[in-house]
Amino acid sequence: GAGVSQTPSNKVTEKGKYVELRCDPISGHTALYWYRQSLGQGPEFLIYFQGTGAADDSGLPNDRFFAVRPEGSVSTLKIQRTERGDSAVYLCASSPGIGKLFFGSGTQLSVL
Amino acid sequence: AQTVTQSQPEMSVQEAETVTLSCTYDTSESDYYLFWYKQPPSRQMILVIRQEAYKQQNATENRFSVNFQKAAKSFSLKISDSQLGDAAMYFCAYRIYGGNTPLVFGKGTRLSVIA
Repeated sequence: GAGVSQTPSNKVTEKGKYVELRCDPISGHTALYWYRQSLGQGPEFLIYFQGTGAADDSGLPNDRFFAVRPEGSVSTLKIQRTERGDSAVYLCASSPGIGKLFFGSGTQLSVL
Repeated sequence: AQTVTQSQPEMSVQEAETVTLSCTYDTSESDYYLFWYKQPPSRQMILVIRQEAYKQQNATENRFSVNFQKAAKSFSLKISDSQLGDAAMYFCAYRIYGGNTPLVFGKGTRLSVIA
């Protein structure tokens, strides 16, 4: 596709459930980023990949959060035992290298 | 750690007028990028303008320009001839120069444009 694609657009789940959020970056972009944006706040960095490996995962809040990018393209953010505080918009971005990031439209996660 | 501060949670401007959004940042680095991103209700972050810290000349993109004061660590965005489509959240962001380091964002300013 022409841009960064994130699915689903919206996800409603119950407390304690497991969720997966998917990001399809722009073809050829080597770097991929995940951010979390709580209501009324700016995006907060979670993790970024350079190729298949996580270059920096210092933003992951705890061990319930995990992300993979097995083939250096699509990435999945996985959240175990979801809590109400995990409710937020999860943004993905990709980059061809030094310079600008291209963002997707995010996944709105609601934990009931 | 780098931080970005946007002290104006909300701003409003009359259509066709000019508005300035403020941003300050804290860093010990000498080489870095600064950005302004626009986030409409669609949630997608759209790059408005970018400034490299080593460049003394302020960046401009059509109706958008910045006032970059490196010593003061200030990076304001000026929107001229405001249009209804400019209404959105605006985020200031910082990134260390080199490599693929993540962006650090401020909390944002909600801009309303009054017809």
